[in-house]
Amino acid sequence: DQQVKQNSPSLSVQEGRISILNCDYTNSMFDYFLWYKKYPAEGPTFLISISSIKDKNEDGRFTVFLNKSAKHLSLHIVPSQPGDSAVYFCAASALGGDDKIIFGKGTRLHILP
Amino acid sequence: DTEVTQTPKHLVMGMTNKKSLKCEQHMGHRAMYWYKQKAKKPPELMFVYSYEKLSINESVPSRFSPECPNSSLLNLHLHALQPEDSALYLCASSQGGLQETQYFGPGTRLLVL
Repeated sequence: DQQVKQNSPSLSVQEGRISILNCDYTNSMFDYFLWYKKYPAEGPTFLISISSIKDKNEDGRFTVFLNKSAKHLSLHIVPSQPGDSAVYFCAASALGGDDKIIFGKGTRLHILP
Repeated sequence: DTEVTQTPKHLVMGMTNKKSLKCEQHMGHRAMYWYKQKAKKPPELMFVYSYEKLSINESVPSRFSPECPNSSLLNLHLHALQPEDSALYLCASSQGGLQETQYFGPGTRLLVL
């Protein structure tokens, strides 16, 4: 049973435009959400996180939005740059709980010139 | 400084060999992790060390043996591996709880012949 779902395996976006990566979760106990970026043959790099007490967190070109009622979060990258081409993993956990971070299957983002 | 280092970067071994993967962090993090990642899949948790004690073993075969010599170091000893164990092995660390933001190393690309 997938608790964290990234339903788009891949996404292509023109350079300079906005990239929107989506993530849905099923476990209502999750209260901390993270996005990681991964290049081939490298470890995931932490990008941005958000706790459930917020609905938006911004860091430079990256903004994460959380809709708790819909159990949905999204990562916005604007403007998209060639170096943003990578696989993006959504992850979730329950802070203070016993369970671990759960990763989605990832979305491969292609930034087109 | 959010650096986690791993050695070696690449490793080729036969099924009868014994080898070790090493991971180091100097961020004062108290939890360290081993993940295995196959191509086009999310990282799969193998082991968690919390305060230098093994707290999670995700039913990993005994041919993988973790060791935490001190709070900064994590090893993964490999013996009698199978070709299907070929993967990217990732080390990560977090400040305290396993639900917190994890910072990943670059990984060791392992090929078992």
